[in-house]
Amino acid sequence: DIQMTQSPSSLSASVGDRVTITCRASQSISRYLNWYQQKPGKAPKLLIYAASSLQSGVPSRFSGSGSGTDFTLTISSLQPEDFATYYCQQSYSTPYTFGQGTELEIK
Amino acid sequence: EVQLVESGGGLVQPGGSLRLSCAVSRFTFSSYSMNWVRQAPGRGLEWVSYISSSSDTIYYADSVKGRFTISRDNAKNSLYLQMNSLRAEDTAVYYCAREVGGFEYWGQGTLVTVSS
Repeated sequence: DIQMTQSPSSLSASVGDRVTITCRASQSISRYLNWYQQKPGKAPKLLIYAASSLQSGVPSRFSGSGSGTDFTLTISSLQPEDFATYYCQQSYSTPYTFGQGTELEIK
Repeated sequence: EVQLVESGGGLVQPGGSLRLSCAVSRFTFSSYSMNWVRQAPGRGLEWVSYISSSSDTIYYADSVKGRFTISRDNAKNSLYLQMNSLRAEDTAVYYCAREVGGFEYWGQGTLVTVSS
């Protein structure tokens, strides 16, 4: 199975900050990497697919990059509604696997 | 707007069975692969199972293989998850999700609690 490791596990930041979350795969997954945002009590929401493609309706302050084993999610200027938990997920092969999550908190 | 609505969750004793359903609307269900993903209380996301649009390809997580069965009825626009031999560690919110690259659309989830 492909293991996905996110860092950091939690992060405190302020509105307006630039934030980067990283995700590392245990083997190459090309660009089969997706990012999700989840708020408490809600279903996850797809933000980025195929490493860098912005899902329709997602604000352009979200961006993704990377290929192979190393990937990043960047939020260019944090907004109040961005405080949530973020997950990466590989869709290269089953079993599809998620990172453990990064909880983004208000500083 | 695309809708996915799960149902069938509840409290069940260890060793028991449940059948989850996911009713979809506002898209051509028969054209899309579907998945079940679960989330234990306070924990992260765990992929459970995948089914292709025509049901010819099915995959399971090792943690549920041999106990869970995914199926779909394209005529009824519905996805199912038959869960047998349930264990305490199966306690989670279960989501159905439409797959296009990533999991593009999700239902609201249905809670399954396995406890005596």
